[in-house]
Amino acid sequence: QKEVEQNSGPLSVPEGAIASLNCTYSDRGSQSFFWYRQYSGKSPELIMFIYSNGDKEDGRFTAQLNKASQYVSLLIRDSQPSDSATYLCAVNMWDDYKLSFGAGTTVTVRA
Amino acid sequence: EADIYQTPRYLVIGTGKKITLECSQTMGHDKMYWYQQDPGMELHLIHYSYGVNSTEKGDLSSESTVSRIRTEHFPLTLESARPSHTSQYLCASSEQGQTEAFFGQGTRLTVV
Repeated sequence: QKEVEQNSGPLSVPEGAIASLNCTYSDRGSQSFFWYRQYSGKSPELIMFIYSNGDKEDGRFTAQLNKASQYVSLLIRDSQPSDSATYLCAVNMWDDYKLSFGAGTTVTVRA
Repeated sequence: EADIYQTPRYLVIGTGKKITLECSQTMGHDKMYWYQQDPGMELHLIHYSYGVNSTEKGDLSSESTVSRIRTEHFPLTLESARPSHTSQYLCASSEQGQTEAFFGQGTRLTVV
């Protein structure tokens, strides 16, 4: 079982819609969770982090964490063509020695 | 904006050559990482470091080696480059604790 799993997509949504991305992780002791965005040919950039159960909102982005279900999600509201990218879920394992990434979900926003 | 720099950005080199990819950060971060990523594919951790004189191999086996003599510097070396080493190499750093990693701009390596 991979440490961090994501639906690879691609996920295609119309402009203005909500894009919903999911991520599950295997280590129940994981403490911190991150969402990165990576445009084609570029490096990943952090867009959200979440440490506690529940929702965290930042502009059009909402991260949701459920530690009991070992599940973290990202919602992108009012999707824009500029949101078209690959979104990477990353998890800090309990022993803190590394940041593990999922394979990423590719999102395409149709104008 | 993160202060982590990789050089060169692009490198084309012949088979059998020795190469060193440079990575430096000015944030005083203890943890540093090297990831390998083929186009359209996932990130694979190949090396990481907790701090000076600490280096560990990552999840993906790699023929490269790393060193950490100074906090700010984490170079990656390939003693004899092969076409199978063609990929993008991304360096990242983070503070101790449960914090995010910041990425450099990457080095795109092509071995011909």
